[in-house]
Amino acid sequence: KAGVTQTPRYLIKTRGQQVTLSCSPISGHRSVSWYQQTPGQGLQFLFEYFSETQRNKGNFPGRFSGRQFSNSRSEMNVSTLELGDSALYLCASSNGREGGWGYTFGSGTRLTVV
Amino acid sequence: KQEVTQIPAALSVPEGENLVLNCSFTDSAIYNLQWFRQDPGKGLTSLLLIQSSQREQTSGRLNASLDKSSGRSTLYIAASQPGDSATYLCAVSKKTSYDKVIFGPGTSLSVIP
Repeated sequence: KAGVTQTPRYLIKTRGQQVTLSCSPISGHRSVSWYQQTPGQGLQFLFEYFSETQRNKGNFPGRFSGRQFSNSRSEMNVSTLELGDSALYLCASSNGREGGWGYTFGSGTRLTVV
Repeated sequence: KQEVTQIPAALSVPEGENLVLNCSFTDSAIYNLQWFRQDPGKGLTSLLLIQSSQREQTSGRLNASLDKSSGRSTLYIAASQPGDSATYLCAVSKKTSYDKVIFGPGTSLSVIP
């Protein structure tokens, strides 16, 4: 059974640019969550999508956005990149149902903003 | 607001020792608690998932317990090995499956050969 796939694995962008990250969940999982991980802040929740709808959102500025497609694949977009956006971005998939939410994480996308 | 803490922040033990990692949460109304392992620069690997109705879960040399009333969970690792060296994170979910999951800051474990 294939795991959670995140692409690309590494990205280097310049301040002011925008970036799109992709996440393909485990087959059959309908929930995809995104997290930002930095040494100073740890793992912070960005947002969660279920059946193409955003169900929950963390405390991040509007420059961070996402979407989910009908095949459950999700993309995350960050516009007007800042140096502080440099982080490991992780996505996690789950079946999204109560009592069975155990998360499976991808390997992450390492974003460096210069 | 749910807050999750983990003690100790870092731990170094000789190979073969049994060890305990601690996780505390402020709101006992959790739905599930999950322990993860993270190797440097990598994603998170799920170790154990404890439903709120359960008291413990075991997988190989790992045993996790949950005491909702006191807001605590422990991860017990038996006969530690150098390959166990990683950061261990606990995460709790409140009420429903789609509430955001709150992670602890992690415990960095180093097992010395």
